[in-house]
Amino acid sequence: SQQGEEDPQALSIQEGENATMNCSYKTSINNLQWYRQNSGRGLVHLILIRSNEREKHSGRLRVTLDTSKKSSSLLITASRAADTASYFCATDHNNAGNMLTFGGGTRLMVKP
Amino acid sequence: DARVTQTPRHKVTEMGQEVTMRCQPILGHNTVFWYRQTMMQGLELLAYFRNRAPLDDSGMPKDRFSAEMPDATLATLKIQPSEPRDSAVYFCASGSWSGEQYFGPGTRLTVT
Repeated sequence: SQQGEEDPQALSIQEGENATMNCSYKTSINNLQWYRQNSGRGLVHLILIRSNEREKHSGRLRVTLDTSKKSSSLLITASRAADTASYFCATDHNNAGNMLTFGGGTRLMVKP
Repeated sequence: DARVTQTPRHKVTEMGQEVTMRCQPILGHNTVFWYRQTMMQGLELLAYFRNRAPLDDSGMPKDRFSAEMPDATLATLKIQPSEPRDSAVYFCASGSWSGEQYFGPGTRLTVT
């Protein structure tokens, strides 16, 4: 299966702490993306990192990509209660139409 | 602010009835995706279109599901006849040229 796998499945932290989520995949990618899903809502695109990039930042988000290990991590710094959500990695394996393969997600709870 | 819209947001129907879900993708996006999300299976890709042409619908049960894009502003997903196991949240997403996907709010389907 090409499906990405997130680790951990669930994470509970205190407000202000950093949260790190990991994603592993099995076959080569064109790009890897991270999405957030609040309960009862659609997924929201957070960040896209291409296969020739190693690190990318967006506000309090930092994404790294290690293609040799076929893994990526999402770091949320100085977490807030509003960051409570599920986070999914999705991989584009260069299929026609930019089809994405989503992992099972990490459920993050940030306690105030 | 361009958004993907989906109707209806909620649908409760009896087994055997036809269900039609509609999606209006973001103008200018040339790919449209249909996903199904359940607690047990996570997020599954059902079908997707590029420039209104179906690229892959291998994730759909062919005997009861059908997906179409009659024009660039409308994508439909039909289930006929519906079954209790079809109960899920169905998401439509439209894809930008750079690969990000923008999700609609979803249709929560309950089949009794």
